[in-house]
Amino acid sequence: GQQVQQSPASLVLQEGENAELQCNFSSTATQLQWFYQSPGGSLVSLLSNPSGTKHTGRLTSTTVTKERRSSLHISSSQTTDSGTYLCAIDRGDTNAYKVIFGKGTHLHVLP
Amino acid sequence: EAGVTQSPRYAVLQEGQAVSFWCDPISGHDTLYWYQQPRDQGPQLLVYFRDEAVIDNSQLPSDRFSAVRPKGTNSTLKIQSAKQGDTATYLCASSFETGTWPQYFGPGTRLLVL
Repeated sequence: GQQVQQSPASLVLQEGENAELQCNFSSTATQLQWFYQSPGGSLVSLLSNPSGTKHTGRLTSTTVTKERRSSLHISSSQTTDSGTYLCAIDRGDTNAYKVIFGKGTHLHVLP
Repeated sequence: EAGVTQSPRYAVLQEGQAVSFWCDPISGHDTLYWYQQPRDQGPQLLVYFRDEAVIDNSQLPSDRFSAVRPKGTNSTLKIQSAKQGDTATYLCASSFETGTWPQYFGPGTRLLVL
């Protein structure tokens, strides 16, 4: 089955509302990263957060490694936040690179 | 600093045709990755290189796909005899060292096979 599951699949907000995105993974993860993908397709790294809580700007990520879950909180959403948010884990196999992406959460922020 | 560049940005083919995608990673990055991203899916790793060496191509459909990075800089991904199921965005990424994050992604090539 899907090793990285993201929810919700899509989310529609009014500008100014907060968003909470979830990522659950079935494998041990030594790395976890959140990406933003614009409607045009470019993928940008937002946060690397294998454990604990990290903040950057209006973004807060909390990862509970033992429970194999991570969340991304977007505060005071803006229309420019619209796009797809992807969660990816690295299983950290020795001398190997095994990154697995989720299918993403499609966020649409209305003006 | 220039980012990862890819070309072409779009390609439309008939089934059975061949196509090549080109990627120029960030200067100094020894590791280069190729991903396939079908519509409404996350990227899936196809192959990655450290310098000129293929480290893992286990997810590359070897009968029709090939990838090279002859001088450890630019890379080419080629599809021989494309199929409709190959319709996807092909993303190239690079990182300073293998397994280090973040990876930096290029804009992708959108392929449509009719």
